[in-house]
Amino acid sequence: QSVLTQPPSVSAAPGQRVTISCSGSSSNIGKNSVFWYQQFPGTVPKLLIYDTNKRPSGIPDRFSGSKSGTSATLGITGLQTGDEADYYCGTWDSSPSVGVFGGGTKLTVL
Amino acid sequence: EVQLLESGGGLVQPGGSLRLSCAASGFTFTNYAMNWVRHAPGKGLEWISAIRSPDFRTHYADSVKGRFTISRDNSRNTLYLQMNSLRVEDTAVYFCAKTISPAHTVTCDSWGQGTLVTVSS
Repeated sequence: QSVLTQPPSVSAAPGQRVTISCSGSSSNIGKNSVFWYQQFPGTVPKLLIYDTNKRPSGIPDRFSGSKSGTSATLGITGLQTGDEADYYCGTWDSSPSVGVFGGGTKLTVL
Repeated sequence: EVQLLESGGGLVQPGGSLRLSCAASGFTFTNYAMNWVRHAPGKGLEWISAIRSPDFRTHYADSVKGRFTISRDNSRNTLYLQMNSLRVEDTAVYFCAKTISPAHTVTCDSWGQGTLVTVSS
């Protein structure tokens, strides 16, 4: 059971927009910034979003992040078949001072 | 270019021990916190441990606290994970990862390719 809650799967058509939610608590998302990873099967995770809404160099602006209260959201616009992957949210939990991840969301581009 | 190369994985019996290493290059190792994250078959990513620098403060997930020990040798640019009292549920690919900036503890932007740990009798 993950500390952060994500939907197991989401789907949308190519070109559409999809959002992936990440629900936490006052000690983690409510207090700290959020990051998001993209992971294709058999590969290492790739950082998509850090500090809740910043993109590392090389990440297209189709990917965005936001936070409200104890929940965070990853948004992906202009969906492409190449976006099919697993997406994980994560953050620092101030009590008891540990890193935490969501359970992951499998994105299917129909 | 940042490079992280894990080693030390393998097959071990329940109750056994392993020591993972992660050789780092391409950045000033001393300046960054380092993490271990694992990915068990069919499951999601799990954060395991972090070690800061230069104070070497450590943090552990409850699932490994008291059994695993993270350490680093800044003179050798190497991160370690000593794993004792291994359980079947510790079977996973273990990744070492570098934080994105000296100000971060668990936000990682560079990962090794991972080393497989299999705990089985």
